[in-house]
Amino acid sequence: AQSVTQLDSQVPVFEEAPVELRCNYSSSVSVYLFWYVQYPNQGLQLLLKYLSGSTLVESINGFEAEFNKSQTSFHLRKPSVHISDTAEYFCAVSDRAGGFKTIFGAGTRLFVKA
Amino acid sequence: DVKVTQSSRYLVKRTGEKVFLECVQDMDHENMFWYRQDPGLGLRLIYFSYDVKMKEKGDIPEGYSVSREKKERFSLILESASTNQTSMYLCASSSVLREQFFGPGTRLTVL
Repeated sequence: AQSVTQLDSQVPVFEEAPVELRCNYSSSVSVYLFWYVQYPNQGLQLLLKYLSGSTLVESINGFEAEFNKSQTSFHLRKPSVHISDTAEYFCAVSDRAGGFKTIFGAGTRLFVKA
Repeated sequence: DVKVTQSSRYLVKRTGEKVFLECVQDMDHENMFWYRQDPGLGLRLIYFSYDVKMKEKGDIPEGYSVSREKKERFSLILESASTNQTSMYLCASSSVLREQFFGPGTRLTVL
């Protein structure tokens, strides 16, 4: 069965510092990978996704994630965070072969301090 | 602008009441989902539907049922609400490309 592990429940960081939010998944088949972001009192919205092709994917607001098949990881990074990046981030995996279910991690709360 | 809407942002119900949560999407998506979100547990899938009148159990279907009579509408029903169903409920829809679009959520409190 698929599972997603987000290794940190909370990550405090100072503004303009780099950040990495870690995500590992377990699956015996090929997968699609996603990062979603949830701002306070809102639903989730897609931040970036890996479907195929280049293993490095980027978002429009400076985040990037790299698919590492051998380590079954999809860590999210940003070289310089802003206060406005404070949110909860969810890693998610979906089996390519069948069904439309997506498994979500428990979430990582990123808190950016001034 | 694509949208998933949920009927209520906040809802307070009493134990034993029947509760309806409604979700509507305007993207003509085949797939729709209901999740509950609890601190430290992430999102857990309750039910999903891949076509009108079709439904599949997710990971935690007990105490819930769903209805999908029209493609754009997916309803979650709590037959007899209990205090352990106090949670944030999120609806989502997706196409075959798997990206999910979420509604703003309904925070349900059962007293």
